[in-house]
Amino acid sequence: DSGVTQTPKHLITATGQRVTLRCSPRSGDLSVYWYQQSLDQGLQFLIQYYNGEERAKGNILERFSAQQFPDLHSELNLSSLELGDSALYFCASSVSPEPSGNTIYFGEGSWLTVV
Amino acid sequence: GENVEQHPSTLSVQEGDSAVIKCTYSDSASNYFPWYKQELGKRPQLIIDIRSNVGEKKDQRIAVTLNKTAKHFSLHITETQPEDSAVYFCAASRTGTASKLTFGTGTRLQVTL
Repeated sequence: DSGVTQTPKHLITATGQRVTLRCSPRSGDLSVYWYQQSLDQGLQFLIQYYNGEERAKGNILERFSAQQFPDLHSELNLSSLELGDSALYFCASSVSPEPSGNTIYFGEGSWLTVV
Repeated sequence: GENVEQHPSTLSVQEGDSAVIKCTYSDSASNYFPWYKQELGKRPQLIIDIRSNVGEKKDQRIAVTLNKTAKHFSLHITETQPEDSAVYFCAASRTGTASKLTFGTGTRLQVTL
């Protein structure tokens, strides 16, 4: 158990809908990262927050948004869902704002299926 | 931005043999290179990492080497075991504002009996 908690574990929804994925970082971690992993694909970086502020942005679609709350949990909002958004969404956390500063720990992921 | 290429995409070795996975990166400022192991349906887990001030690092059967001049780094697994079967990802990151951890596309390692 990495200490990073993600909910829900599985989610099936229809095209055009909106979903929210939730992540609680490890105790003491201030950075939260979101990654997308499509079938047989690598880990695509979406966005990072550090202590409530957006720190780095990757290939995140405009239909997607995220935020980190004062209690440091984070939510990833996916709207106007398309079939191609079906993927495993990972949240990860670390103490440092920089990926090179320390180990990044991944949660178990949220499986999203868009039908 | 950073681009990380990883080879091979699949690798099959017999139990007890060695496995080598190679990655190249594009950003000469990258200074942190972790390797993650992901078992089927599980989360990626860090298995070893190396920083640019070190050329080689070893942890039991796993070692990583870094060639900054050529901008490539490799993962070496010796005496492979069936439980080493998984997808392995390399990654690279630099230090600085808005730095990101960029992953390679992964190598599926199959250790056969």
